[in-house]
Amino acid sequence: AQSVTQLGSHVSVSEGALVLLRCNYSSSVPPYLFWYVQYPNQGLQLLLKYTSAATLVKGINGFEAEFKKSETSFHLTKPSAHMSDAAEYFCAVSVEGAQKLVFGQGTRLTINP
Amino acid sequence: NAGVMQNPRHLVRRRGQEARLRCSPMKGHSHVYWYRQLPEEGLKFMVYLQKENIIDESGMPKERFSAEFPKEGPSILRIQQVVRGDSAAYFCASSPRGQGQGEQYFGPGTRLTVT
Repeated sequence: AQSVTQLGSHVSVSEGALVLLRCNYSSSVPPYLFWYVQYPNQGLQLLLKYTSAATLVKGINGFEAEFKKSETSFHLTKPSAHMSDAAEYFCAVSVEGAQKLVFGQGTRLTINP
Repeated sequence: NAGVMQNPRHLVRRRGQEARLRCSPMKGHSHVYWYRQLPEEGLKFMVYLQKENIIDESGMPKERFSAEFPKEGPSILRIQQVVRGDSAAYFCASSPRGQGQGEQYFGPGTRLTVT
């Protein structure tokens, strides 16, 4: 079975600072990894996904994530935070033949002016 | 191309009543997933359906909850005799094929409040 752990339920950064949201996964077979963003009272929107091609994945809104098999990690980064990045971020894992996504508990990102 | 539609967006039910949540997948998508999000928690998988078939219901509570995806019309998540613990946001997602490496497209959710 697969699982995801997101370190830090709340992260706060200043506008213009680096954003780093941590995600570690557990899977006995090669995983597919996803980052979704959820704005207040809205559904989830895909930011980016890793599907065994390039280990550094670029997504929307300037976000990127790097798949590190040795560390079983898929951390999300953005060089310079913007106020509009304030939201909840979810890391999720799937595998070939899987019927569902398995989500982490989420990280709430707050941007300070 | 319209996204995943869910209605109602907000639903208030008294304890013991029934709740019916509807989900219309994106056009061309025949795979539907339901997730539940409790306050301050991530999304938890409930059920995966294809047209007229329940493929995986391993996340559904054994009692009071049921789901369907008929040949015509939206997918329905039904909760009978609701209790306060059912208060949550329920999200529907769809995809054109089974999960694997594909992404799921999420609706805006139905926020159920049980009073």
